[in-house]
Amino acid sequence: GIQVEQSPPDLILQEGANSTLRCNFSDSVNNLQWFHQNPWGQLINLFYIPSGTKQNGRLSATTVATERYSLLYISSSQTTDSGVYFCAVSYNQGGKLIFGQGTELSVKP
Amino acid sequence: DTEVTQTPKHLVMGMTNKKSLKCEQHMGHRAMYWYKQKAKKPPELMFVYSYEKLSINESVPSRFSPECPNSSLLNLHLHALQPEDSALYLCASSRAESTGELFFGEGSRLTVL
Repeated sequence: GIQVEQSPPDLILQEGANSTLRCNFSDSVNNLQWFHQNPWGQLINLFYIPSGTKQNGRLSATTVATERYSLLYISSSQTTDSGVYFCAVSYNQGGKLIFGQGTELSVKP
Repeated sequence: DTEVTQTPKHLVMGMTNKKSLKCEQHMGHRAMYWYKQKAKKPPELMFVYSYEKLSINESVPSRFSPECPNSSLLNLHLHALQPEDSALYLCASSRAESTGELFFGEGSRLTVL
């Protein structure tokens, strides 16, 4: 099956800093999503981005499908950005969304 | 409205109990999913329903029994669970099984004593 690798596994930032999270996947995908899981466990949709670039406020994402990676950019980080960021993909036109291991982000005041 | 609602938010049950988790969406989505998440791990797929029919069962033990009464509702019936089944259970929905963005509920945190 498809492999999804996220890096780095952990990241500690000072408030106001910028960061880039990476997601590599081993096969062509028909769906790629970025999620933020808050400390209460809720998975919040950040981007649905099987290809291209999108921006939403301080966050942006780019997926280069031909090179099998996606990047999530967080600018001017805030303490509320803390949590785990997951990349998840599905492939072969299937509905099975497979998650990477996540990046745990901690933003210090 | 991009909301998926799960109840209860917390559930504690003994190994001999029977309980159910419920999930509801009103986005007109025709695919619904159950995921299980253990602490410090990513969510793992359990079941997929497409147009109210079971499409994927990821070799889940029979003590977990899914049910899709209609296109808006998804249940997960629990019976004779083990302590290792304690986890966060997440429901999700999407426009169709092979297309579209998945939206997740807040989850039901299950503890089996």
